Amino acid sequence: KNQVEQSPQSLIILEGKNCTLQCNYTVSPFSNLRWYKQDTGRGPVSLTIMTFSENTKSNGRYTATLDADTKQSSLHITASQLSDSASYICVVSLEYGNKLVFGAGTILRVKS
Amino acid sequence: DAEITQSPRHKITETGRQVTLACHQTWNHNNMFWYRQDLGHGLRLIHYSYGVQDTNKGEVSDGYSVSRSNTEDLPLTLESAASSQTSVYFCASSESGSDSEQFFGPGTRLTVL
Repeated sequence: KNQVEQSPQSLIILEGKNCTLQCNYTVSPFSNLRWYKQDTGRGPVSLTIMTFSENTKSNGRYTATLDADTKQSSLHITASQLSDSASYICVVSLEYGNKLVFGAGTILRVKS
Repeated sequence: DAEITQSPRHKITETGRQVTLACHQTWNHNNMFWYRQDLGHGLRLIHYSYGVQDTNKGEVSDGYSVSRSNTEDLPLTLESAASSQTSVYFCASSESGSDSEQFFGPGTRLTVL
């Protein structure tokens, strides 16, 4: 069964600190993996995309990694800001048919 | 700027009523999708369309229907609303191609009493 599991479910950190979110997947055939950020009351917005051959991708203070052998990905947030408070969703795309498999998300809260 | 909009943003209805949620995109994307998001679950695909007159069932399609009469709109209809359909509904659109990013609307929060 195609599944995406994320950990932790929720996380609270102090402003300025770094954090790392985890994603494990069992999706086949794999096309790409995206991390989305979803602010409260809004739709998800893509942060990064990685294909099978890419093992790291950065977008400002966000850095995603992918290990296709172990089927794991992580999202590292550097020097967190209050505006980083959101749900972060790991999404794996199947190779055919625009099908996406969504993780349940990690809820991040950044405190001042 | 191109965008994707949903209406209404909030809806309260009663069990058994028919409800239609609107989705409109101005990107001229061929692909459109409807998802529901429930606490503790990832987004789950309800229906999707790859073009005008094309509709397909997703993993949780029971009790829902869609129609695609033009490129811009994909309305989602709940034929007879049930309390189990209380959820947040997201519409998304993308260009053709399996690697194309899906762009999401702001969501509709539906409560069925």
